[in-house]
Amino acid sequence: EVVLTQSPGTLSLSPGERATLSCRASQSVNSNYVAWYQQKPGQTPRLLIYVASSRATGIPDRFSGSGSGTDFTLTISRLEPEDFAVYYCQQYGTSPGTFGQGTTVEIK
Amino acid sequence: EVQLVESGGGVVRPGGSLRLSCAGSGFTFNDHGMSWVRQAPGKGLEWVSGINWNGISTGYADSVKGRFTISRDNAKNSLYLQMNNLRAEDTALYYCARSGYYSYFWHFDLWGRGTLVTVSS
Repeated sequence: EVVLTQSPGTLSLSPGERATLSCRASQSVNSNYVAWYQQKPGQTPRLLIYVASSRATGIPDRFSGSGSGTDFTLTISRLEPEDFAVYYCQQYGTSPGTFGQGTTVEIK
Repeated sequence: EVQLVESGGGVVRPGGSLRLSCAGSGFTFNDHGMSWVRQAPGKGLEWVSGINWNGISTGYADSVKGRFTISRDNAKNSLYLQMNNLRAEDTALYYCARSGYYSYFWHFDLWGRGTLVTVSS
């Protein structure tokens, strides 16, 4: 199966700063089928980005996704207080679909 | 309101069985593949099983293959997960998740709130 490695494990930033989250796959992801999810404590995951760079419905444009092949990035241009959460990447290019272990974005 | 609501979780002894259910509402249920995704306490997300829109194609994680069975009843807008021979490592919050496509093998655009399964003696 495709293993996704997210880095860093924890990102400590202040509101207004830029966040850059990485997701690296153990092999090339077919058709760049990578999604990103946000999960806040005690809440359900929320889809942010799909097919590497397409924003899901209702997601603010400060969230953007990029990448191809084995390296993918989620960027939050200016952190809002509600953006501090855990972020997971998922690949669905090769069965079974797999998730990364998550990156925590915490308030510095 | 577009939503998924899971039920059926609980405490079960190792080797026991449980059947989870997920009711969809507010959308055309049989337009979408569906999956179960679990999250062990304090851990990340793990895809468990998925089923295509018509129930013909299914998939399972290696960790549950041969023990879990996924099914759906489109007439009842419902998804199920029959879990047999449960182990301690199956303890988790089980989410029902909707694929943004007919196949289960896709990204998930709608999630339920989850139902907790605890396997303990």
